[in-house]
Amino acid sequence: GQQLNQSPQSMFIQEGEDVSMNCTSSSIFNTWLWYKQDPGEGPVLLIALYKAGELTSNGRLTAQFGITRKDSFLNISASIPSDVGIYFCAGGKIQGAQKLVFGQGTRLTINP
Amino acid sequence: GAVVSQHPSWVICKSGTSVKIECRSLDFQATTMFWYRQFPKQSLMLMATSNEGSKATYEQGVEKDKFLINHASLTLSTLTVTSAHPEDSSFYICSAPRLAGGLDEQYFGPGTRLTVT
Repeated sequence: GQQLNQSPQSMFIQEGEDVSMNCTSSSIFNTWLWYKQDPGEGPVLLIALYKAGELTSNGRLTAQFGITRKDSFLNISASIPSDVGIYFCAGGKIQGAQKLVFGQGTRLTINP
Repeated sequence: GAVVSQHPSWVICKSGTSVKIECRSLDFQATTMFWYRQFPKQSLMLMATSNEGSKATYEQGVEKDKFLINHASLTLSTLTVTSAHPEDSSFYICSAPRLAGGLDEQYFGPGTRLTVT
C-alpha cells in the first residue's frame, strides 16, 4: 500500500535538545496528522493540520502543513524523557472513507 | 475523550487455529472502523475498512477469506484471523472515526498482539 516518506527513521538525542522530523508524499493530502506510539500501544494523536501553510502548536510540539500539501514537519522543543517513542505522520483525505496513510515512523531515543 | 478498546490485548494460538479480535468504541458510535497490521519496527498498514451493515472493503493484497471482518453494531467490529500461520503474527490495531467527525476524531485502540506458534 501507499506510504509516506518519513525521516529520519531514528534519532538519538540528549535531553533538552530540539527534535525535527518530516514527511513527504508524492500525492496531495487534505489533512496531515502526527501521532505518537508508545511500545505495545495504539497511536495517540498529537497535532492535526487542515490548511496548506498552517502552523500549529501543542505545548512543546509544533507542526506545519506544507504549502504544496505534499509534506509536513513536526518539531519538538526541549525534549524530555517522556518524549521517547515512535512518531508517525499520517495523511488523510476528507472526502470518502477517512482512510489514513502512515509514514514509516521516527523512533526517538533520549539520553538523560 | 473518546475511547476505543480491543480484546484481547494479546493472544497466543497454534498454527491452523482461528483467532477473533474485538474492537469497540466505548462512548461513541462508528459506522466505519479500520483494521491495521503492524510488524515489529514498521508502520501501520491498513488491512481493511469495516462497514456497519455492509461488507468490509479490503486493501490490495489482503485476503478477505483469511481475515474475516464483521461490523456487528455501531460500536463493535471483529477481525477473525482464520487458519493462522506464524507469518500472521503481528500487532493488530483498530481505529474508529467518530460519526460525522473529522479526521482528527479517529481514535485508535490499544492493539492486540497475536503470536502464532
